[in-house]
Amino acid sequence: GENVEQHPSTLSVQEGDSAVIKCTYSDSASNYFPWYKQELGKGPQLIIDIRSNVGEKKDQRIAVTLNKTAKHFSLHITETQPEDSAVYFCAATLSGSARQLTFGSGTQLTVLP
Amino acid sequence: KAGVTQTPRYLIKTRGQQVTLSCSPISGHRSVSWYQQTPGQGLQFLFEYFSETQRNKGNFPGRFSGRQFSNSRSEMNVSTLELGDSALYLCASSSGGATENIQYFGAGTRLSVL
Repeated sequence: GENVEQHPSTLSVQEGDSAVIKCTYSDSASNYFPWYKQELGKGPQLIIDIRSNVGEKKDQRIAVTLNKTAKHFSLHITETQPEDSAVYFCAATLSGSARQLTFGSGTQLTVLP
Repeated sequence: KAGVTQTPRYLIKTRGQQVTLSCSPISGHRSVSWYQQTPGQGLQFLFEYFSETQRNKGNFPGRFSGRQFSNSRSEMNVSTLELGDSALYLCASSSGGATENIQYFGAGTRLSVL
């Protein structure tokens, strides 16, 4: 089955700096890669996603890049703010199992004021 | 539009008991997926239901089961509870089209097994 590895497990940045979280996946048949943000006591919230036919996608301060050849994708957050502090999860799905997400282990992002 | 609603939010059970968790998806959504979240294993897929039929199943024992009703509401059941079943159980809702990937999560049900 699919396996998703995520790094780093913890990340501290100064407010205003950028943060980058990286994930690799094992199955080249994976075709959908969402990123979720989870705050304490809440369920995961979808913040951005990318499909395998696209190399990069941006939404305001958040961007995701995908390298299919290397089988890795990354989340970039620019101009970080204290409210960006949360646990971030990457995930992947195989074509044919559109909603069976395999998650990475999560990154605890702390933005220091 | 109301989001995904999971009830109850918290549950305490003892080993050997069984438990039923409920999920109401976003109005109009026909797919409901269930995930287990633990500190050790992370987020793991349990199963997905679409139009009252189980579509996909993760690698969990038969003690974990689910069903979906005609109004798309879903329940999951865990029988003969073990200490290791203590977890946050999350439900995710999707419109359910064949290639529709986007899922929206509820706040979860925190299950503690004593």
